[in-house]
Amino acid sequence: QVQLKESGPGLVQPSQTLSLTCTVSGLSLTSNSVSWIRQPPGKGLEWMGVIWSNGGTDYNSAIKSRLSISRDTSKSQVFLKMNSLQTEDTAMYFCARMDYSGDYFDYWGQGVMVTVSS
Amino acid sequence: DIVLTQSPVLAVSLGQRATISCRASQSVSISSINLMHWYQQKPGQQPKLLIYRASNLASGIPARFSGSGSGTDFTLTIDPVQADDIAAYYCQQSRESPPTFGGGTKLELK
Repeated sequence: QVQLKESGPGLVQPSQTLSLTCTVSGLSLTSNSVSWIRQPPGKGLEWMGVIWSNGGTDYNSAIKSRLSISRDTSKSQVFLKMNSLQTEDTAMYFCARMDYSGDYFDYWGQGVMVTVSS
Repeated sequence: DIVLTQSPVLAVSLGQRATISCRASQSVSISSINLMHWYQQKPGQQPKLLIYRASNLASGIPARFSGSGSGTDFTLTIDPVQADDIAAYYCQQSRESPPTFGGGTKLELK
């Protein structure tokens, strides 16, 4: 069955770079698109960006200058890198598969909590 | 960006009907396709897809969940509400990029 699992450091210092990995199983990244979505504690969901099945990417303009999403199809992994972290980047970070039309998110990872603090 | 507005809290009794609304700042429909989707999130868990394209039940979701609406106004209905349904519910649009989510409605027991 389809599974996604996020991994990465739980604590990042302000101004540093966040690196997260989403490892997928039960699907091929060459025919599926994966998004990153984050949720600050007690708040709503924010779409960050997507890596499409063809390898192209799209980012939320609000954070585009700080964000990079890439993948390693041979390892079934999607990567997120975001620089210049601030305390407001403290959040649960989820990766999620987008349906084939790119409309909705039908499979989600359990999420990884990232705290930005010195 | 398209802004989705939801009431923060809805109090309901078990066995009754819950109606959760979501209003978009502009139409999220293209012809007859309504690009609004609904998720359930329980504390400490990831969101779960309930309804896609306004009225289609996602796989494995009980039939007591249903969705309706078009244009800018959409509704998620739970009938009857069960104890396991106490959670936060989010709408999400895919009419324009970036996909955006509503602020969420927390379903509480009366």
